[in-house]
Amino acid sequence: KQEVTQIPAALSVPEGENLVLNCSFTDSAIYNLQWFRQDPGKGLTSLLLIQSSQREQTSGRLNASLDKSSGRSTLYIAASQPGDSATYLCAVGDYKLSFGAGTTVTVRA
Amino acid sequence: GAGVSQTPSNKVTEKGKYVELRCDPISGHTALYWYRQSLGQGPEFLIYFQGTGAADDSGLPNDRFFAVRPEGSVSTLKIQRTERGDSAVYLCASSLGTSGDNEQFFGPGTRLTVL
Repeated sequence: KQEVTQIPAALSVPEGENLVLNCSFTDSAIYNLQWFRQDPGKGLTSLLLIQSSQREQTSGRLNASLDKSSGRSTLYIAASQPGDSATYLCAVGDYKLSFGAGTTVTVRA
Repeated sequence: GAGVSQTPSNKVTEKGKYVELRCDPISGHTALYWYRQSLGQGPEFLIYFQGTGAADDSGLPNDRFFAVRPEGSVSTLKIQRTERGDSAVYLCASSLGTSGDNEQFFGPGTRLTVL
């Protein structure tokens, strides 16, 4: 069974600092890895999808890397803003996604 | 709308009652998924549809849970004889369903409270 871990569970940074969020998984034979954002009481917003043949994906201030051999992915958010405050979840799988519990980020103005 | 929609947004019911939760996927998405999210946890997979058929229902916790997608679009998750432990947010997602591009897009969820 795929186990996905996100550490730390919570993170607080001052505005402008770069964010580094970590995700680890136990089964390296993954298909896709997807990063999501979840605001309180809301659904999930897809941020980036990395297919198993890819090493990274970029969208604006976001960059996600994937290292299947070590079972890790990292989401970088450059020049954080208060609007980036949310819970960030990573998930791995093909159609059946296995999720981590998320990292709750607070960006202080 | 362009995104995944779910109704109702909130449902409060009494223990033992029957509930139905509805999901409207993004137009053209052949794959549809149901997940359940408890407080402070990531979503857990329940069931996956490809078209009208349930391709994988291994995440359904027991036979009180059932889902249908009769015309390959809208899906309904049905829970019989609800229990307090069924209280959670039920999330629906859809994707194109094509190999290699399976980015899942989620709806806002239905918050189910069983009293």
